[in-house]
Amino acid sequence: EVQLLESGGGLVQPGGSLRLSCAASGFTFSDYGMSWVRQAPGKGLECVSVISGSGGRTYYVDSVKGRFTISRDNSKNTLFLQMNSLRGEDSAVYYCAKDLGGRSGALSYFFDYWGQGTPVTVSS
Amino acid sequence: EIVLTQSPATLSLSLGERATLSCRASQTVGSYFAWYQLRPGQAPRLLIYDASQRATGIPPRFSGSGSGTDFTLTISRLALEDCAVYYCQQRSTWPLTFGGGTKVEIK
Repeated sequence: EVQLLESGGGLVQPGGSLRLSCAASGFTFSDYGMSWVRQAPGKGLECVSVISGSGGRTYYVDSVKGRFTISRDNSKNTLFLQMNSLRGEDSAVYYCAKDLGGRSGALSYFFDYWGQGTPVTVSS
Repeated sequence: EIVLTQSPATLSLSLGERATLSCRASQTVGSYFAWYQLRPGQAPRLLIYDASQRATGIPPRFSGSGSGTDFTLTISRLALEDCAVYYCQQRSTWPLTFGGGTKVEIK
């Protein structure tokens, strides 16, 4: 059974940093791309970042470029999101999501398993 | 960025009725399109990908159609557990974008 368990969220002051983690199990982690998707209070979903199975390709939405870094440790089946220079508009529930996958591990950019999410609040 | 506009914002129907949810893209996305279900307190769930392919474990009452800029999610006979917010998503162009959501509730 695929399981994704996020951790690391919390309350942080504007300008501060947080590191989110997502522990994955139930599938061959290195074969699949992964993503962080957030949902701000009362808002819809926003895909913040995507990383390929090997970690060699990463993508970011413009609003977080230069501030957030996605990475993964395939030996520990763990996905990370390092968030620096946090702003109020970064406040959201952050979901870790597994890419549906395609031929030869290609990114599909659709997400078939999601974690329960970890809340991040940026406020003074 | 491709903007996805979902309608209606809220859909109130009786149990067993047919639900039709729409999503329109600001430019063509081919069939690179998905639908997700979000129930309160639960992880989001992929329902449909590639516009019309049901994801693993999704019951056949859920179906997707459309291509280009206009897409539809149909729930053939509404069940209690279908009360949720439904989001569409495109993967044609980065950044990936989602619609604003349609809330489905039981009348």
